[in-house]
Amino acid sequence: NAGVTQTPKFQVLKTGQSMTLQCAQDMNHNSMYWYRQDPGMGLRLIYYSASEGTTDKGEVPNGYNVSRLNKREFSLRLESAAPSQTSVYFCASSESAGAPPMPQHFGDGTRLSIL
Amino acid sequence: RKEVEQDPGPFNVPEGATVAFNCTYSNSASQSFFWYRQDCRKEPKLLMSVYSSGNEDGRFTAQLNRASQYISLLIRDSKLSDSATYLCVVNPGLYSSASKIIFGSGTRLSIRP
Repeated sequence: NAGVTQTPKFQVLKTGQSMTLQCAQDMNHNSMYWYRQDPGMGLRLIYYSASEGTTDKGEVPNGYNVSRLNKREFSLRLESAAPSQTSVYFCASSESAGAPPMPQHFGDGTRLSIL
Repeated sequence: RKEVEQDPGPFNVPEGATVAFNCTYSNSASQSFFWYRQDCRKEPKLLMSVYSSGNEDGRFTAQLNRASQYISLLIRDSKLSDSATYLCVVNPGLYSSASKIIFGSGTRLSIRP
């Protein structure tokens, strides 16, 4: 099983460029999440989707947009990249949206550098 | 005070030793707690839940102390493969939003031969 697949694994952007991080899961999970991880800090939730067709802001949504294209896919878009968005991005999924909605399976991560 | 605090370590212990580390949380109403493990430059993986009555899974034991607002993870007979960063995760409410889940910054554990 592939589990949660993220692409790309590495990316370097210039300030102001845009890009989309792709995420797909093959476990038929309802909930999907996008986190960022910075040195010395815990994972911080950017956006999550409790089910197909719904998205909600997390702790640090500014500068990002998301799209839950279908049950399998949840993409994260940086419209105008800024150096502060240099980070490691993780997509995750979980079976249920409730009680509690803990991310169970993570992708390998995308290491993004903004110059 | 941070909402979830962990000693960053590193904890450097010999193979076979028992090691324990704690995680403190500030919201006394927090309902559920978890430990994740993250290997260097890898994704986090759910290790175990932490129940009020404690939780044991093989060599790993997780405890919750509500009075002092901390959870602990104890690893017995440590293996080289236990070397990783251990993330504490707190969910303030059983049915709360995913946006309320808080990840600690992790405790790094290094097991030496």
